[in-house]
Amino acid sequence: EAGVAQSPRYKIIEKRQSVAFWCNPISGHATLYWYQQILGQGPKLLIQFQNNGVVDDSQLPKDRFSAERLKGVDSTLKIQPAKLEDSAVYLCASDPGGRTYNEQFFGPGTRLTVL
Amino acid sequence: AQSVSQHNHHVILSEAASLELGCNYSYGGTVNLFWYVQYPGQHLQLLLKYFSGDPLVKGIKGFEAEFIKSKFSFNLRKPSVQWSDTAEYFCAVMNYGGATNKLIFGTGTLLAVQP
Repeated sequence: EAGVAQSPRYKIIEKRQSVAFWCNPISGHATLYWYQQILGQGPKLLIQFQNNGVVDDSQLPKDRFSAERLKGVDSTLKIQPAKLEDSAVYLCASDPGGRTYNEQFFGPGTRLTVL
Repeated sequence: AQSVSQHNHHVILSEAASLELGCNYSYGGTVNLFWYVQYPGQHLQLLLKYFSGDPLVKGIKGFEAEFIKSKFSFNLRKPSVQWSDTAEYFCAVMNYGGATNKLIFGTGTLLAVQP
């Protein structure tokens, strides 16, 4: 079974530039998550989708971050404009969905460096 | 709000030594508890989980963890570590029955096992 795919794996941009990350979850997984992991910290949830609807985006800095999952499959996370403090690894995870707990499967992440 | 504390940020052990990594969470009630591991260059993956029942849970690769409700703790143990256990270990908590399956992660413990 193919895992969660993310691209690009690395990205270096200058502050105030825009950047987008892409995630393709495991086939059939209804729930998709984006996490931000700053160096020395654990992953922090940015946004959770159930199919193509947002379940939780309480920790997403909506003035600069946006995310979509238009067809309920793959997802894009965008930062516009980027700040130095956005330097982090952005992790995508997915699970089958439903109210009972399901194991979340993580992708390899995109390492963003903002100069 | 729920938070997770991992008190050991860096641990260095020799092969065959015993391991115990501490994890405490802040908020009571019914919780689901997890340990994730990230080996060098690999994805985050689930090591073990606790939902209910026997508070001593066993995971992959000889790891186990004990849930002590009165201490809000879920410490990870392994009786004899191997060089291949070198990795970063994250404790995570999910509040049961919430609207989302949000995982709250600790800051991680970097384990280095010397051959």
